[in-house]
Amino acid sequence: AQTVTQSQPEMSVQEAETVTLSCTYDTSESDYYLFWYKQPPSRQMILVIRQEAYKQQNATENRFSVNFQKAAKSFSLKISDSQLGDAAMYFCAYRDTDKLIFGTGTRLQVFP
Amino acid sequence: DTGVSQDPRHKITKRGQNVTFRCDPISEHNRLYWYRQTLGQGPEFLTYFQNEAQLEKSRLLSDRFSAERPKGSFSTLEIQRTEQGDSAMYLCASSFSSNQAHAEAFFGQGTRLTVV
Repeated sequence: AQTVTQSQPEMSVQEAETVTLSCTYDTSESDYYLFWYKQPPSRQMILVIRQEAYKQQNATENRFSVNFQKAAKSFSLKISDSQLGDAAMYFCAYRDTDKLIFGTGTRLQVFP
Repeated sequence: DTGVSQDPRHKITKRGQNVTFRCDPISEHNRLYWYRQTLGQGPEFLTYFQNEAQLEKSRLLSDRFSAERPKGSFSTLEIQRTEQGDSAMYLCASSFSSNQAHAEAFFGQGTRLTVV
């Protein structure tokens, strides 16, 4: 069965600095999708970035980028120029055919 | 607002009572998912529908849980004889999927259930 592991329960960063959130996963599949979702307090989960496993190029979305290491089964999220609005729970997720498998999340605090 | 809508946002119920939650997906989305999220954990898959057909159910979905999507639009999740362990956030998500592509899932704000 596929599993997703986020080993950092909490992270903090100063405004305008860069932070990296870690995620590892386990699968025997060769083609799959990975995602990072953001869940602000009391608000719905929104998609931050997605990576297709067959694409070697790391995905980027403005200040958000990933470091996808397929052989190591690692999928980290880098947030550059952190903003106060980035404070939230961040979940790494793997798409298993028709459903998402989530990690336990990393709470990101952003200090002014 | 054309996002995923869930009702109610909060529900407090006594142990043993039945509760029902509603989810209205984005209108053109053919897939609808239910997830459960407990404190300190990521969401866990419960079940999903393609149109009105329930295609997969997790082992987490005991026989006290039932979900329907009668006309392929909104969905309801009912929990019978609630237990304290059912206390959680219940999240609904929807997406459009075809044989060619799976689009991203959009989530609702969730229904927080507290069983006392």
